[in-house]
Amino acid sequence: LAKTTQPISMDSYEGQEVNITCSHNNIATNDYITWYQQFPSQGPRFIIQGYKTKVTNEVASLFIPADRKSSTLSLPRVSLSDTAVYYCLVVRTDSWGKFQFGAGTQVVVTP
Amino acid sequence: DVKVTQSSRYLVKRTGEKVFLECVQDMDHENMFWYRQDPGLGLRLIYFSYDVKMKEKGDIPEGYSVSREKKERFSLILESASTNQTSMYLCASTPGTANPGREYFGPGTRLTVT
Repeated sequence: LAKTTQPISMDSYEGQEVNITCSHNNIATNDYITWYQQFPSQGPRFIIQGYKTKVTNEVASLFIPADRKSSTLSLPRVSLSDTAVYYCLVVRTDSWGKFQFGAGTQVVVTP
Repeated sequence: DVKVTQSSRYLVKRTGEKVFLECVQDMDHENMFWYRQDPGLGLRLIYFSYDVKMKEKGDIPEGYSVSREKKERFSLILESASTNQTSMYLCASTPGTANPGREYFGPGTRLTVT
């Protein structure tokens, strides 16, 4: 499985857009890029998944360039409740769950 | 909504005790997983199961065993608890290959071994 690298922490103010970039240089053809969110004392929660270009849902957008060696999770207009740890994972389609969670990115949103 | 429940949110046990952590999912998922989470180390896979009575070792199986007698239930067993097993334990499930990459997690059990 491709290893991912993401910043350890990011700070933001309420109402700003937060962009977290994840590097995955060894991503393979069958791999999907997946992001999870984890609040303190809770289990991680799936946010978004993509293969290439751009994916958007009600929570976030995911931008993936053509070479797929990196991806950017974009959280629009963050609020205090978006303070959490965000994990970037590369998931092989035939691995059904043997995921490699790294240390994640701690996002802290302040007023 | 998929629901994954864990038997306890907080647990305190003594060194040498046998500890059972239970996980139940209500969506007929084939695959179930046990992770532990420690500060600075992220989530590490202990064991997983892709069918009833089937189990596979994850990255850190030493000191643990699992049991899956029914599809909805996956148990993690600490045969003889030690202080280095103090951690947050997370259970997760997925519906097989239908949604690769999307795991559903329980709320976690914070285990303290004294």
